[in-house]
Amino acid sequence: GQNIDQPTEMTATEGAIVQINCTYQTSGFNGLFWYQQHAGEAPTFLSYNVLDGLEEKGRFSSFLSRSKGYSYLLLKELQMKDSASYLCAPRAFTDKLIFGTGTRLQVFP
Amino acid sequence: ETGVTQSPTHLIKTRGQQVTLRCSSQSGHNTVSWYQQALGQGPQFIFQYYREEENGRGNFPPRFSGLQFPNYSSELNVNALELDDSALYLCASSRPTSGGQETQYFGPGTRLLVL
Repeated sequence: GQNIDQPTEMTATEGAIVQINCTYQTSGFNGLFWYQQHAGEAPTFLSYNVLDGLEEKGRFSSFLSRSKGYSYLLLKELQMKDSASYLCAPRAFTDKLIFGTGTRLQVFP
Repeated sequence: ETGVTQSPTHLIKTRGQQVTLRCSSQSGHNTVSWYQQALGQGPQFIFQYYREEENGRGNFPPRFSGLQFPNYSSELNVNALELDDSALYLCASSRPTSGGQETQYFGPGTRLLVL
């Protein structure tokens, strides 16, 4: 079967660091994506991991452990505009993305 | 801006009607995927088209069908609309690389309401 597990909601303070965890079970694996989605808008690409380890891109970093079926997205120096849903999406061999319900992050001043 | 456009932005239909949603891919992208996103949920894969052929399908009934044209634009058709079809419909374009498909870039979506 296919299952994506992320926390439903998280809150954090401006300037802080937050880590959003994702565990997954998929039939076939061809990389994992993180997308950001503001309310009423389309998902926008944040990061992609296909090998184990950490990928850093500015304030955002993403980590993958394929043997554990685990990934996290790390957001540093949080800003108010980072309030959004964050979607973990493993990709199957058929190239389809498998999304969970996402994590709604609220950043407070 | 991802270079992926969709039309219309919003649509209201009644049960039993048919609807066609359109997507224009990013330049150079020959693969398009369609997703349905219900309120409060993540996107669910409907199907993918590559070079005008269906290239994978999710758990959606046959009344969901699609087309991809030579210019790589695409259509999603839904027949016999049901109330549960109310959702945001997203298309995403990508292009193949030696290791598989590249990142999928999403369009702004079409919000469909079925009454």
